[in-house]
Amino acid sequence: GQNIDQPTEMTATEGAIVQINCTYQTSGFNGLFWYQQHAGEAPTFLSYNVLDGLEEKGRFSSFLSRSKGYSYLLLKELQMKDSASYLCAAMDSNYQLIWGAGTKLIIKP
Amino acid sequence: GAVVSQHPSWVICKSGTSVKIECRSLDFQATTMFWYRQFPKQSLMLMATSNEGSKATYEQGVEKDKFLINHASLTLSTLTVTSAHPEDSSFYICSARRGRDPGEQYFGPGTRLTVT
Repeated sequence: GQNIDQPTEMTATEGAIVQINCTYQTSGFNGLFWYQQHAGEAPTFLSYNVLDGLEEKGRFSSFLSRSKGYSYLLLKELQMKDSASYLCAAMDSNYQLIWGAGTKLIIKP
Repeated sequence: GAVVSQHPSWVICKSGTSVKIECRSLDFQATTMFWYRQFPKQSLMLMATSNEGSKATYEQGVEKDKFLINHASLTLSTLTVTSAHPEDSSFYICSARRGRDPGEQYFGPGTRLTVT
């Protein structure tokens, strides 16, 4: 079957760095997405990885290892506004997104 | 950029009535549109996938007679919740894909449905 696993909740301190892990199993693979979702709002796109390696985009970076079925989202210089849920989603061979349950990130001052 | 709108943004209706939610791609033609439902503290659940001019493909467990999807044009898809009940209260989100590039999927702002 198809499955995405990510931690339910994480806590970090303002100004620090946090890494949110995601493992996936899908029928075929067309990339790994990370989305940010604030409470009561729709998800917003953060990153897309289809090749192995690290993609850096400002304070946010995303890493992918296809052989391990593993990805992480790295958030640096955390700000209070980064408090949100972070959704990992893998795209299968039919170009359908398989969603994780999301990781709620709590930032403390 | 690529913008997707939804209307209404929130709606309250009485049990037994029907509610229509519109999803529009404002500045691009969407080859495929997706409808998701999200309950509090849960991730998105794909309800159905629709391509313009053809019948929607529903996910297992989603009642096609209850959740009617019409993808009338390349910029408009509608979801009608028929005979709504309180358990249908949820956050409904649409997304639209431009082309076949996996990264080109854009989300609408969502519609909060409350059935009393």
